[in-house]
Amino acid sequence: NAGVTQTPKFRVLKTGQSMTLLCAQDMNHEYMYWYRQDPGMGLRLIHYSVGEGTTAKGEVPDGYNVSRLKKQNFLLGLESAAPSQTSVYFCASSQLSGRAGGELFFGEGSRLTVL
Amino acid sequence: DAKTTQPNSMESNEEEPVHLPCNHSTISGTDYIHWYRQLPSQGPEYVIHGLTSNVNNRMASLAIAEDRKSSTLILHRATLRDAAVYYCILKETSGSRLTFGEGTQLTVNP
Repeated sequence: NAGVTQTPKFRVLKTGQSMTLLCAQDMNHEYMYWYRQDPGMGLRLIHYSVGEGTTAKGEVPDGYNVSRLKKQNFLLGLESAAPSQTSVYFCASSQLSGRAGGELFFGEGSRLTVL
Repeated sequence: DAKTTQPNSMESNEEEPVHLPCNHSTISGTDYIHWYRQLPSQGPEYVIHGLTSNVNNRMASLAIAEDRKSSTLILHRATLRDAAVYYCILKETSGSRLTFGEGTQLTVNP
């Protein structure tokens, strides 16, 4: 099993360009998440999904869009990239188990630089 | 979301136990306490979680105060590989999100 795979791992964009980050999981998990992590800081939730065809906003959703057309994939889009979106992006998935919440499995991260 | 407070950094020596504290005075009665850690240049990884009772697994132990306003992650014998940022997180029962704080940077000295 590959677990959670993110592509691309690195990308440099110019201000105003658009791009899509792909997250794929092979664990049949219902829940998927996109976080961003700025230098020296913790992770902040951008958007998440509780199942195929669903999406919801997290703490910092502005400037991002997401789609979950297939259960195994969760896409994060930047329509018009800004320097403030320079960050490391992490995708995670989990299979919720009761109120405790399932263990989150994270990808290796995608480092995005916006010039 | 209920908040957690952790020290910014801690140091330990290799092969000694490490006790990482977390305060969560506003925890609700049904919030679970989760711990994750993030090794350098990697995504976070799950460590342990619990509700009221102390919990043990192969990686660590979780000691939860009787009033649940604090908890402690215990690494029984620190290794160099345990150097990471450790996050204490409260899992809200009404939702599916985990909100990360800034965590504790653990340094392990050889």
